[in-house]
Amino acid sequence: EPEVTQTPSHQVTQMGQEVILRCVPISNHLYFYWYRQILGQKVEFLVSFYNNEISEKSEIFDDQFSVERPDGSNFTLKIRSTKLEDSAMYFCASSVTGHPGELFFGEGSRLTVL
Amino acid sequence: GENVEQHPSTLSVQEGDSAVIKCTYSDSASNYFPWYKQELGKGPQLIIDIRSNVGEKKDQRIAVTLNKTAKHFSLHITETQPEDSAVYFCAADNDYKLSFGAGTTVTVRA
Repeated sequence: EPEVTQTPSHQVTQMGQEVILRCVPISNHLYFYWYRQILGQKVEFLVSFYNNEISEKSEIFDDQFSVERPDGSNFTLKIRSTKLEDSAMYFCASSVTGHPGELFFGEGSRLTVL
Repeated sequence: GENVEQHPSTLSVQEGDSAVIKCTYSDSASNYFPWYKQELGKGPQLIIDIRSNVGEKKDQRIAVTLNKTAKHFSLHITETQPEDSAVYFCAADNDYKLSFGAGTTVTVRA
C-alpha cells in the first residue's frame, strides 16, 4: 500500500538553528500538507500546498516557516530559526483531490528544540 | 475559526465492552467529520467519516453519529478488542482544512 514517508523520524536541534523536515508524498497525489502536534495538545493545521504554491496557511505558519517542493517527489518544511516552542511532532499529509477525506498522513517527524 | 472539543481524554474499557467518544464543534459551516486512529509511533489513520447530510454511518464494529443541530458527533466502538487500544482523534472540516480534537487515549483491558 502506498504511504507518505517522512525523514528524519526524530531531530534534536539547538534554538536558533535551521531545520528542514522532509516528506515524500504518495506519488500520484497533488495536494500536500503539514500539520503539527505539540505534546499533549491538538493536531494543528500549518499549511497546504498545491500546484507549487501555498494554498492556505494558519496563523502558526509565520515568516520563520517555509515549504518547498524542490523536485518531483519531495515536499519540505523549513523552520528558519527554531524556537523552544517549535518542539512538536510534525506530520506531512497528501491527497489526490484535496478533500480531507482522502488525506494520508506520514508517521511524523519529532522535533526537539533545546 | 473552528473549535473542536473532544471527551473523554482517556477511556479504559474491558475487552468486549463498548467505547464511546464524543466531540462538539463550533462552526455550523463544517460539513465533514472524520475520525482518526493513531497508534504509537505512527501517523493518524482515517477509520471512519461522516458528512453533514448523513446522521449515522456504520462500518463493522465502529459507527459514527452526527447531530448537526446540536453540533456534536460521536464515535462508537462495539465489542472492543486489544488492537483497538490507540489514540482517537475527531476532526471537523471547514474549507478543506481539518480542525482536530485533543484526542482520546483508549485502553482495552484484556
